[in-house]
Amino acid sequence: GQSLEQPSEVTAVEGAIVQINCTYQTSGFYGLSWYQQHDGGAPTFLSYNALDGLEETGRFSSFLSRSDSYGYLLLQELQMKDSASYFCAAGGATNKLIFGTGTLLAVQP
Amino acid sequence: KAGVTQTPRYLIKTRGQQVTLSCSPISGHRSVSWYQQTPGQGLQFLFEYFSETQRNKGNFPGRFSGRQFSNSRSEMNVSTLELGDSALYLCASSSEWASGRTDTQYFGPGTRLTVL
Repeated sequence: GQSLEQPSEVTAVEGAIVQINCTYQTSGFYGLSWYQQHDGGAPTFLSYNALDGLEETGRFSSFLSRSDSYGYLLLQELQMKDSASYFCAAGGATNKLIFGTGTLLAVQP
Repeated sequence: KAGVTQTPRYLIKTRGQQVTLSCSPISGHRSVSWYQQTPGQGLQFLFEYFSETQRNKGNFPGRFSGRQFSNSRSEMNVSTLELGDSALYLCASSSEWASGRTDTQYFGPGTRLTVL
């Protein structure tokens, strides 16, 4: 079957750096996306990796290793507003996204 | 551009009833996907429509169906509602590359369905 595993919860303090890991097992893998979802809100796109390596977008970076079926999202200079759920999602040859289990990030002052 | 809109935002139904949810994608987006989100199962793919055709389907029973209109607006229908259908139903739209896939999906605020 297809699955993406993430830690269920991560806690960090303001200003710190946190890494959220994602391991996947999917067929026809094209790339790994990351979405942020605040409580009661809609998922919003953060980052996408089609190739191995690091993609940087402001305070967020995402990494992919196809050989290890592994990726991570790195959040730097954490702010209270970063408290949310974060999902990795695997895309295949079409627009079907398989989402990970989700990681609840709690940023403490 | 206006974002993805979904109506209604909240619905309360009883077991056995049916429900229709509506989604208007971002202007110019022809792909519309539907997802079900529950605390226990997370975000699960229901189906995707492109140019009025269902291109992908998730592992949901036939009670879940959908369609897309010529203006790309989409509806999903759930018949014979069960308690377990209580969930947040999210619609997402995306632009289309020549290859037929895209990397970014834009989600609507969702419809919160409660089945009593």
